[in-house]
Amino acid sequence: EAGVAQSPRYKIIEKRQSVAFWCNPISGHATLYWYQQILGQGPKLLIQFQNNGVVDDSQLPKDRFSAERLKGVDSTLKIQPAKLEDSAVYLCASSSRLSKNIQYFGAGTRLSVL
Amino acid sequence: GNSVTQMEGPVTLSEEAFLTINCTYTATGYPSLFWYVQYPGEGLQLLLKATKADDKGSNKGFEATYRKETTSFHLEKGSVQVSDSAVYFCALSPFAGGGNKLTFGTGTQLKVEL
Repeated sequence: EAGVAQSPRYKIIEKRQSVAFWCNPISGHATLYWYQQILGQGPKLLIQFQNNGVVDDSQLPKDRFSAERLKGVDSTLKIQPAKLEDSAVYLCASSSRLSKNIQYFGAGTRLSVL
Repeated sequence: GNSVTQMEGPVTLSEEAFLTINCTYTATGYPSLFWYVQYPGEGLQLLLKATKADDKGSNKGFEATYRKETTSFHLEKGSVQVSDSAVYFCALSPFAGGGNKLTFGTGTQLKVEL
């Protein structure tokens, strides 16, 4: 089966600009996660969706980050305006009860904010 | 809150050497424990998991045992190969079923040389 797809793979922007990342989860996976991985650190959960509803967004900086999952499939994560400290890899993962809730990760989008 | 601590890297070994990467955790209740591996340029992949105390997860020659008394989940392999060079992340999920956000350690880079 196809894995989790993310795009773009790389993005370079200047601070105060906006940027959006896209994620297509594994077909049939109801749960979708966005993680932020800063260089030298482990991934940190930003937001978790169950179908098109938000389960946990407690660590999402809501003044600048937003995410949506319309129709419960694809998801978009947006940053507006970006700050230097947003430079990181943004990982999308998905899971389902049928897959025993194991999270499958995409390759990530590497963001550099200059 | 939940946290994971793992040994710092990089760990450099010769091929066929024995590998141990230490991981300890702090959590309430009965979390599930995971090891993920990240090869260069790729997303995180699940290596192995354990969902209850004394469970041993194993895959590709790697093993880890869920030790509740020492709150540890150390990763071991008897004979490493150059192809095992990657970053290894220890992680926990707060529920036994694993269907919730993952809390990751900072990762340990492994380099295996000929």
